[in-house]
Amino acid sequence: EIVLTQSPGTLSLSPGERATLSCRASQSVSSSYLAWYQQKPGQAPRLLIYGASSRATGIPDRFSGSGSGTDFSLTIIRLEPEDFAVYYCQHYGRSPQTFGPGTKVEIK
Amino acid sequence: QVQLVESGGGVVQPGRSLRLSCAASGFTFARYAMHWVRQAPGKGLEWLAVIWHDGNYKYYAESVQGRFTISRDSSRNTLYLQMNGLRVDDTAVYYCTRDSGLPELGILAYWGQGTLVTVSS
Repeated sequence: EIVLTQSPGTLSLSPGERATLSCRASQSVSSSYLAWYQQKPGQAPRLLIYGASSRATGIPDRFSGSGSGTDFSLTIIRLEPEDFAVYYCQHYGRSPQTFGPGTKVEIK
Repeated sequence: QVQLVESGGGVVQPGRSLRLSCAASGFTFARYAMHWVRQAPGKGLEWLAVIWHDGNYKYYAESVQGRFTISRDSSRNTLYLQMNGLRVDDTAVYYCTRDSGLPELGILAYWGQGTLVTVSS
């Protein structure tokens, strides 16, 4: 089972700032089968990024993903008020799929 | 538009059983793999199970292997999760999710709003 570690646990930023979230895997994630999800309080998660860097349908281009192997990142270049949420990375492509523990992006 | 509506949650005693349902609409149900994911109160996401589009293959997380069973009825456009031997630590919101349909399985493109299962005596 691939264990995902996310850092930092909490990121305190102001609207308009840049956010960089990290996701590290315990072993190499094949074919960059790494996704990112956003979850707001009381809501279901929403797919943002898959294949490490492909944006899902309807996701604004201020969100971008990068990385390969064991190190991946999600960048939000200019935080909008609606971007303050918890972000999870996930590896897929083989079972069991696993999620990271999440990074909370909060308003500073 | 894609809609996934879970039902069947509630309060149940430890050791008892519960069956969750997920009514799917807005897409051709029989063409997509489906998953269950849960989230304990205040905690992160935990993938539980997947069933292939045709129901021929199923995989489970170790935490529910042997206790939970995923199934589907394409004539009813419905996904199920039969949960037996429930434990207190199974308390969570349970989400039904639809795979993206891309060749690589496991991109969770659509999510229901979830149904809360509380296991308590």
